[in-house]
Amino acid sequence: EAGVTQFPSHSVIEKGQTVTLRCDPISGHDNLYWYRRVMGKEIKFLLHFVKESKQDESGMPNNRFLAERTGGTYSTLKVQPAELEDSGVYFCASSHGSGFETQYFGPGTRLLVL
Amino acid sequence: QKEVEQNSGPLSVPEGAIASLNCTYSDRGSQSFFWYRQYSGKSPELIMSIYSNGDKEDGRFTAQLNKASQYVSLLIRDSQPSDSATYLCAGWYSGGGADGLTFGKGTHLIIQP
Repeated sequence: EAGVTQFPSHSVIEKGQTVTLRCDPISGHDNLYWYRRVMGKEIKFLLHFVKESKQDESGMPNNRFLAERTGGTYSTLKVQPAELEDSGVYFCASSHGSGFETQYFGPGTRLLVL
Repeated sequence: QKEVEQNSGPLSVPEGAIASLNCTYSDRGSQSFFWYRQYSGKSPELIMSIYSNGDKEDGRFTAQLNKASQYVSLLIRDSQPSDSATYLCAGWYSGGGADGLTFGKGTHLIIQP
């Protein structure tokens, strides 16, 4: 069974540009989560999808971040325009059920905003 | 504010010894806890999950949860050099608020051959 995949693995962009990150969850997992780890800090929750619906986006930093999951399969996270403080590692995770069910993480996308 | 605290280390343990990793949490509403292992540049990988007070054993790993004292620990017996990694403690809280896991910063474990 394929795990959670993320694309790209690395992205270097300039301040003010737009970047779109993609996550493909484990097949059959309705729940998809986005997290971010800024250097020196802990991994922080951004948002949670159940199928195509945003269940909780309380962790999204501001309106420069837009997440979508059209069709309830893969998800994208767009940052527009990117700022220096957006640099970090963006992780995606998926689970079959929500709540206390195990979340399986992808390898992350390392974003550097210059 | 839900918080999970871990000593960042590094924690150095000789090969074959028991490695003890600890984690405390601030919210009594937390219901379940997870230990993830993360090698440098890789994805967090689940080691153990624990929901009830007491111990849970899986091979060389034992997770311990004490809800009264609000701490979680992970014991690794017969430590191997391949156990060297960062161990992340995460809690999940029910009852509203953020759906995601709340992570600690992680403890860097080094197993010395």
